[in-house]
Amino acid sequence: AQTVTQSQPEMSVQEAETVTLSCTYDTSESDYYLFWYKQPPSRQMILVIRQEAYKQQNATENRFSVNFQKAAKSFSLKISDSQLGDAAMYFCAYTAYGGSQGNLIFGKGTKLSVKP
Amino acid sequence: DSGVTQTPKHLITATGQRVTLRCSPRSGDLSVYWYQQSLDQGLQFLIQYYNGEERAKGNILERFSAQQFPDLHSELNLSSLELGDSALYFCASSVGGAGLYQETQYFGPGTRLLVL
Repeated sequence: AQTVTQSQPEMSVQEAETVTLSCTYDTSESDYYLFWYKQPPSRQMILVIRQEAYKQQNATENRFSVNFQKAAKSFSLKISDSQLGDAAMYFCAYTAYGGSQGNLIFGKGTKLSVKP
Repeated sequence: DSGVTQTPKHLITATGQRVTLRCSPRSGDLSVYWYQQSLDQGLQFLIQYYNGEERAKGNILERFSAQQFPDLHSELNLSSLELGDSALYFCASSVGGAGLYQETQYFGPGTRLLVL
């Protein structure tokens, strides 16, 4: 069974600094997608970034980028120039490509605090 | 705004009661997913519908059921409610998810259920 592990329950970063959130996953599939979702205090789940496993290039969305290491089954999120609005729970998620089930498998989340 | 709508936003009810949660997917999306977020279990997949048909089941209790209507909106029915059913229930939608390819899932704002 596929699993997603986020080993950092909480992280803290100074405003304008850079922080990296870790995620590892376990799967026997060769094709899959990985995601980072952000959940601010409003509890809305917001897509931050998506990575296709067949792409070697790491995904980037403005200040958010990932370090995808397929062999190591590692998928970390780097937030540059952190802003107060980045404070939230961040969830790493996995879904297989082309399978009959499209559901996301989530990690337990990392709570990010941003200090002014 | 993800384009996915959920009603109601909050629901307070008593043990033993039955409630219905409603979800309207983004325009053009055929798949609807239901997730439960609780403090002890994290984010868990409940069930997926694709174009009106059940596609996949996750950790959904027998007391829970769902359906997707011809206009593609979906309802999650929770019956014989217990204290432990108190949680945030999310609906997500995607274009596909039928086994051909996986699309990004966009989440609604959630329904917060409190069972007293």
